[in-house]
Amino acid sequence: SQQGEEDPQALSIQEGENATMNCSYKTSINNLQWYRQNSGRGLVHLILIRSNEREKHSGRLRVTLDTSKKSSSLLITASRAADTASYFCAPLYSGAGSYQLTFGKGTKLSVIP
Amino acid sequence: DTGVSQNPRHKITKRGQNVTFRCDPISEHNRLYWYRQTLGQGPEFLTYFQNEAQLEKSRLLSDRFSAERPKGSFSTLEIQRTEQGDSAMYLCASSRIEDFSYGYTFGSGTRLTVV
Repeated sequence: SQQGEEDPQALSIQEGENATMNCSYKTSINNLQWYRQNSGRGLVHLILIRSNEREKHSGRLRVTLDTSKKSSSLLITASRAADTASYFCAPLYSGAGSYQLTFGKGTKLSVIP
Repeated sequence: DTGVSQNPRHKITKRGQNVTFRCDPISEHNRLYWYRQTLGQGPEFLTYFQNEAQLEKSRLLSDRFSAERPKGSFSTLEIQRTEQGDSAMYLCASSRIEDFSYGYTFGSGTRLTVV
């Protein structure tokens, strides 16, 4: 399977703590994207990191990419109860016709007030 | 433009019936994708369109499933002779060919329950 694999599958933290989620993938990528999904809703695009970038920030989000290890991490700082959701990484693989994102099972984050 | 719109939000149907879902993408987006998601799983790719052309179909898409995007605008996904295993959330997303910086924009999905 070419999907990203998120780790851990579930994470429970107290409000104000940082949350770190990891993603591993298989082959060369064009970019890697992170999405959030609240229960029963569609996915929301959070951040995209290109294969030639190593780190990217957006508000309380920090994403890193290590292409040598084929891994990425998403850090949410100073978590809030509203961050409770499932988080998915989606590698966009290089190669002709590879325009579809593939998703793993996600990390289910629970932020306890 | 308020984003990707999917209708209906919920659909309950009896096994063996046909169902059709509609997706209205963001107007300037030329790519449109369909995904299926079951409980506790990530979205699984079904098919995608570039303008009106259906360029890729997953092996998950059996011959009971058909998707269209006439005139490269809205898209429909039809499931014929529904089975209980078709119960899932069906998600539509759109994007622009030229711009990978913003990822996909997803709709809120259509939840199908086959009884």
